[in-house]
Amino acid sequence: DVKVTQSSRYLVKRTGEKVFLECVQDMDHENMFWYRQDPGLGLRLIYFSYDVKMKEKGDIPEGYSVSREKKERFSLILESASTNQTSMYLCASSLFRPDTEAFFGQGTRLTVV
Amino acid sequence: DAKTTQPNSMESNEEEPVHLPCNHSTISGTDYIHWYRQLPSQGPEYVIHGLTSNVNNRMASLAIAEDRKSSTLILHRATLRDAAVYYCILRDVEEYGNKLVFGAGTILRVKS
Repeated sequence: DVKVTQSSRYLVKRTGEKVFLECVQDMDHENMFWYRQDPGLGLRLIYFSYDVKMKEKGDIPEGYSVSREKKERFSLILESASTNQTSMYLCASSLFRPDTEAFFGQGTRLTVV
Repeated sequence: DAKTTQPNSMESNEEEPVHLPCNHSTISGTDYIHWYRQLPSQGPEYVIHGLTSNVNNRMASLAIAEDRKSSTLILHRATLRDAAVYYCILRDVEEYGNKLVFGAGTILRVKS
């Protein structure tokens, strides 16, 4: 069974903490994506990566960075967490080809207090 | 990025067909049309995709207009489990890979 696994389902962090959200896929996919989802705003793309060590900004990269040291792992980093980063974070992966499907993780609900 | 436009919400009766429309008037010749859905408290899941011809799979059918400026996702017999947000997305290969950008989607409510 193909899988995208996010390290935590729920996470509570304090303002100013450095936060790491981890995502691992076992499908040898080139593309990996990080989104956040907020009520009324839908899914917004934060960053995506199309290869190891390659990254591209999405629509809302401010306050976030990413790391992709290995093909199967894509990390989202909040350098200094703030309360407005409280959200549901979703990771996805896909092959490079646009005629293939993407697979999503179950999400991490992050609360910054 | 080419954009898609979908109705905010739709309602259907259980066991009746549902036609979910999507407009994509600025679609390019190499854009694939994808549909995903997101059930409550879950990540999105793939439903179907196509380029020019109509497509069928076990979940749904995709009807693509001849000029490709619109498409329709067809659920042949809606069930309560089909209540979800449905997203219509265009994917193309760019120089450095292809983004997967979601719009607001259509909230589908299914009445028993």
